Amino acid sequence: AQKITQTQPGMFVQEKEAVTLDCTYDTSDQSYGLFWYKQPSSGEMIFLIYQGSYDEQNATEGRYSLNFQKARKSANLVISASQLGDSAMYFCAMRGEFSGGYNKLIFGAGTRLAVHP
Amino acid sequence: DSGVTQTPKHLITATGQRVTLRCSPRSGDLSVYWYQQSLDQGLQFLIQYYNGEERAKGNILERFSAQQFPDLHSELNLSSLELGDSALYFCASSVGDSGGGYEQYFGPGTRLTVT
Repeated sequence: AQKITQTQPGMFVQEKEAVTLDCTYDTSDQSYGLFWYKQPSSGEMIFLIYQGSYDEQNATEGRYSLNFQKARKSANLVISASQLGDSAMYFCAMRGEFSGGYNKLIFGAGTRLAVHP
Repeated sequence: DSGVTQTPKHLITATGQRVTLRCSPRSGDLSVYWYQQSLDQGLQFLIQYYNGEERAKGNILERFSAQQFPDLHSELNLSSLELGDSALYFCASSVGDSGGGYEQYFGPGTRLTVT
């Protein structure tokens, strides 16, 4: 079975500093996808970044980058130059097993990030 | 704005009742997914439809059912509601069904409160 683990229930960072949110995953699939979503207090889920298991380069999207270490099965999110608006819950997710529906997402428990001025 | 719409935004109902949640995917997206977010279970996949056909089922209770219509909008029906069904229900959509990419874009959610 596939599993996503986010070991940091809460993190805080000073404005303008960088922060890393940890995510480890477990899968026996060779092909899979990893995602990060942001959920502000308003509740919506905002897609941030995607990394495919065969992508050789780490994904980047603006201030977000994904530190993908395949051998360690980790997919950490790095947010550079934190802003107050980055305060939110962050979820790491993995695309599910093919036999169970390749595109379903399995989510971690989330990390609540607080950005301090 | 993800382009995925969900109605209603909030729903308060009593135990034993039945409700219908509605979702319209982004223009051009053929896949619709339903997720439930609760405090004790976290975010869980319920069911996926692709172009009108059921593709995958997750932890969806037998009291719950869904369908995707020819215009690609989807409805999630929850019946014989229990207090534990109180949760935020998300709909997401993506272009395809399997393969690379196909990021899922989430709607704003429907917050269901069962009293």
